[in-house]
Amino acid sequence: SQQGEEDPQALSIQEGENATMNCSYKTSINNLQWYRQNSGRGLVHLILIRSNEREKHSGRLRVTLDTSKKSSSLLITASRAADTASYFCATHRAGGGADGLTFGKGTHLIIQP
Amino acid sequence: GAVVSQHPSWVICKSGTSVKIECRSLDFQATTMFWYRQFPKQSLMLMATSNEGSKATYEQGVEKDKFLINHASLTLSTLTVTSAHPEDSSFYICSARRQGGPRDEQFFGPGTRLTVL
Repeated sequence: SQQGEEDPQALSIQEGENATMNCSYKTSINNLQWYRQNSGRGLVHLILIRSNEREKHSGRLRVTLDTSKKSSSLLITASRAADTASYFCATHRAGGGADGLTFGKGTHLIIQP
Repeated sequence: GAVVSQHPSWVICKSGTSVKIECRSLDFQATTMFWYRQFPKQSLMLMATSNEGSKATYEQGVEKDKFLINHASLTLSTLTVTSAHPEDSSFYICSARRQGGPRDEQFFGPGTRLTVL
């Protein structure tokens, strides 16, 4: 079953604005990760937040995690045209770090110049 | 460091032929590699987990005889799509977990786009 569900599925904003994407998951997790994928390309790891963390920052990125609601959000501040990409959250199943990742459906972000 | 490559980056083949995709960890040893498939405008779906020297573990619904995985060394895993059909056309991405590294850390390859005519 689909572990992660992102919303919105697509988001178009003006350059300079902030972009917020949300992700929900179903099972217990050790951590949640966010990835970016440019069209037709591989994945770029953005940030990992552990289950005992509530918020994490990396440059223009801010990630929150609410384990009680099984949800996470990714905020990109001061967006740039180069931020145009698809963004996915991903989790390991049932606390197993050796397992492959379960990805959400993704949010396609378009930054209008 | 921690670079993963895939070869080829794209391939076009005729229906019924077999295609081999390689996944290599260039600067580290990978005890475990993962294979994912991504259909256009969709998310990545885990196909199988490949452990060096042992049989791969396939996800439910993935045909092991259709998608042959070999992890013969600590730096190479191969995925062979046998008797490919147009519905196998997809973007195949591998990832690798570094030997001795954090269990929740994976490094992704750039992907291989397969088009079956």
